[in-house]
Amino acid sequence: DAGVIQSPRHEVTEMGQEVTLRCKPISGHDYLFWYRQTMMRGLELLIYFNNNVPIDDSGMPEDRFSAKMPNASFSTLKIQPSEPRDSAVYFCASSSADVGTHGQYFGPGTRLTVT
Amino acid sequence: GIQVEQSPPDLILQEGANSTLRCNFSDSVNNLQWFHQNPWGQLINLFYIPSGTKQNGRLSATTVATERYSLLYISSSQTTDSGVYFCAVEGTTDSWGKLQFGAGTQVVVTP
Repeated sequence: DAGVIQSPRHEVTEMGQEVTLRCKPISGHDYLFWYRQTMMRGLELLIYFNNNVPIDDSGMPEDRFSAKMPNASFSTLKIQPSEPRDSAVYFCASSSADVGTHGQYFGPGTRLTVT
Repeated sequence: GIQVEQSPPDLILQEGANSTLRCNFSDSVNNLQWFHQNPWGQLINLFYIPSGTKQNGRLSATTVATERYSLLYISSSQTTDSGVYFCAVEGTTDSWGKLQFGAGTQVVVTP
């Protein structure tokens, strides 16, 4: 199994630009999670999907952030327009509701720097 | 929401030493996981352990759900054990899969 795949691994952009982060979950997993990690706030859940449907987006900081999951093998997190305070590591994770396999598996993360 | 407290916040170990990390949580849980974030930033799923005891090599974990705590044991520590260890829980009143992370324990293993 290839694990959760994220791209790009690093992104440097200027304030005001649009940023799109991508995630491919583990095949067969029906839950997908987007997290953000900063020194100040630690790991925060932004949004998660079940069977491609957003379940809880209460962690999305503001309207500049949006996430989609058009199919079971792909999700995007978009920031438009980006701001310096969005600089963080963004993780995608996936899991399965099957009994005995509860557990989230994380991708390598995307380190975003907004200048 | 559910509160998660980890202790100690920092730990320095000499290679070969044993250690215990603790996670306290404020309410009943459906899910508890331990993760290791290595120095390269990768978050690795160590244990899914809402109750009971599990072992994986030199690592083991015990969760006493009725007393709202979990322990992670590292035996014969190696330099590769360095990094941050996170406990994350899903409260029974939370949506399935919604994990609340603790602040982590930073572990440094010296040769």
